[in-house]
Amino acid sequence: GAVVSQHPSWVICKSGTSVKIECRSLDFQATTMFWYRQFPKQSLMLMATSNEGSKATYEQGVEKDKFLINHASLTLSTLTVTSAHPEDSSFYICSAREARRNTGELFFGEGSRLTVL
Amino acid sequence: DQQVKQNSPSLSVQEGRISILNCDYTNSMFDYFLWYKKYPAEGPTFLISISSIKDKNEDGRFTVFLNKSAKHLSLHIVPSQPGDSAVYFCAANTGNQFYFGTGTSLTVIP
Repeated sequence: GAVVSQHPSWVICKSGTSVKIECRSLDFQATTMFWYRQFPKQSLMLMATSNEGSKATYEQGVEKDKFLINHASLTLSTLTVTSAHPEDSSFYICSAREARRNTGELFFGEGSRLTVL
Repeated sequence: DQQVKQNSPSLSVQEGRISILNCDYTNSMFDYFLWYKKYPAEGPTFLISISSIKDKNEDGRFTVFLNKSAKHLSLHIVPSQPGDSAVYFCAANTGNQFYFGTGTSLTVIP
């Protein structure tokens, strides 16, 4: 099946620094990628929808200036957590949808565990 | 507003038996329904999907049933194996919108 790769899988940073997480579709082109956040024992919370070549669409309550999303190519989207604080510590997951398929399938990356000290 | 609901947070099943995971939804306009399996600290893995125009889709040990009149879908795993122990999310899709349930933690007891 389609492969989505996320990097880094684990990152620890100091409060106030910025962290970039990459999401790549390895064997397909993805016009749309999604970024989720998962809190312990909770479902996936959609943060934003990333569209190649245009601005991301953020869900209500998600600060676009804090969570910068860039989707510069059909295979890469990045999420940058700016001026990270301990409350930003979470598990971030990206997903991608193959551009030329219309079967509803969404493929997920492995997730990135962010810990802000 | 939770458009996709998984009302059972956990389920325990004996190895070899059938596991049935349930999911309810509210929007009759969904095009596809999907099931994902998730281990801790990993991204969800796609398992199986079903189009809204079908009522059953089978793939090996996994079968998804869709009851549109009841707005209900279920995932059947038979026979259940210890390696199936994970959290299972159902999801519904329309256009570029995906809605996820809160997950059901399945434990298969050896």
